[in-house]
Amino acid sequence: EVQVLESGGGMVQPGGSLRLSCAAGAFTFSNHAMSWVRQAPGKGLEWVSAISGRGDSTYYADFVKGRFTISRDNSKSTVYLQMNSLRAEDTAVYYCAKCDRESLWSSGSWLDPWGQGTLVTVSS
Amino acid sequence: DIQMTQSPSSLSASVGDRVTITCRASQSLTYSLNWYQQKPGKAPNLLIYAASGLQSGVPSRFSGSGSGTDFTLTISSLQPEDFATYYCQQSYSPPWTFGHGTKVEIK
Repeated sequence: EVQVLESGGGMVQPGGSLRLSCAAGAFTFSNHAMSWVRQAPGKGLEWVSAISGRGDSTYYADFVKGRFTISRDNSKSTVYLQMNSLRAEDTAVYYCAKCDRESLWSSGSWLDPWGQGTLVTVSS
Repeated sequence: DIQMTQSPSSLSASVGDRVTITCRASQSLTYSLNWYQQKPGKAPNLLIYAASGLQSGVPSRFSGSGSGTDFTLTISSLQPEDFATYYCQQSYSPPWTFGHGTKVEIK
């Protein structure tokens, strides 16, 4: 069964850093772009970032640009989200999801499946 | 960035009702619009891809339609397990964006 599993969440002080990991299984990892989506407590879904299957193309939401970095290690079937300069408003459950295609250049991609999420709390 | 306006934000319906949720984009998406269902405490689940494609394993009472800027998710006969929050998402161009969600509650 195709699955993705996030880890690395926790509590961090404002201005701190955290690295999330997402381990994937049961599919050819390098053939699929991967994405991070977050959900603040009681709020809706917010797309955060995506990376192509080969790792040569990345996109970010404006509210994380310059602070977060997405990367992947295809030899480990794992995608990462390095989060720096964290703010209270970054508090959320962070979900990892598999894209249906390798490239981010073509429009029309979809996200399936999603992991169970990992909670990031930014608080002093 | 492309803005997604989803309506209504919530609705109350009974088992067996036909339910329609709409999503409007600030610019044309052609068919690059997906729908997800999320139940409390759970991860979102893909229902519809590319405006009208039914994801494998999703019941046929769910359907999607539309193109350009206006899209619709329809549940033909609401079942108890369908009470959840539904989100549209555009993947026409990054940053990909979600609608604010529609919470479907029991009447």
